Amino acid sequence: QKEVEQNSGPLSVPEGAIASLNCTYSDRGSQSFFWYRQYSGKSPELIMFIYSNGDKEDGRFTAQLNKASQYVSLLIRDSQPSDSATYLCAVNLSGSGGSNYKLTFGKGTLLTVNP
Amino acid sequence: DTAVSQTPKYLVTQMGNDKSIKCEQNLGHDTMYWYKQDSKKFLKIMFSYNNKELIINETVPNRFSPKSPDKAHLNLHINSLELGDSAVYFCASSQEGVAGVHTDTQYFGPGTRLTVL
Repeated sequence: QKEVEQNSGPLSVPEGAIASLNCTYSDRGSQSFFWYRQYSGKSPELIMFIYSNGDKEDGRFTAQLNKASQYVSLLIRDSQPSDSATYLCAVNLSGSGGSNYKLTFGKGTLLTVNP
Repeated sequence: DTAVSQTPKYLVTQMGNDKSIKCEQNLGHDTMYWYKQDSKKFLKIMFSYNNKELIINETVPNRFSPKSPDKAHLNLHINSLELGDSAVYFCASSQEGVAGVHTDTQYFGPGTRLTVL
């Protein structure tokens, strides 16, 4: 069973702090990694994707990927109350055919940013 | 100009009934999905269609039957609804990239909250 693990939280940080969200995955052949944000009662929306080892920055968000450790993280700098949401890590497995199209999601980490 | 749309948004029904949820995407994507998100917010794939062909069929009761009349539509029909089917069902779509270019980002619809009484 290929799995994606996240700390369910809740993770609580003060406004302006750095929020660090972590995700590990079991399939060493995984190719694509995604972070989605889901507000309560809404659908998941893509924040970032990363394919290569290292860091990828987009505004206040930085995704970090370490394939050797099977670890992907999301850092949110200068956290705002509007960042309060559930963050879902998703992994697209390697392989051909149907597996190429399958995202496996973690259970999500609830982030609360306190004013 | 909604990218991925679903109807209905809410569905309340009695156990044993049959119901359908519709999904449409206007992104020109060739792959569509159905996900189920339970009360604990766990998002799990149910089905995936690529160009109207079923390519992923997870361990889902055969009371659930997807149908894709064309690559822009993927509907979900559920027979003999049970209490445990209560959840939010999300449709999503993505576009397979050319070799070496990953464009497999999935875009989600607004969800259909199904309540079985």
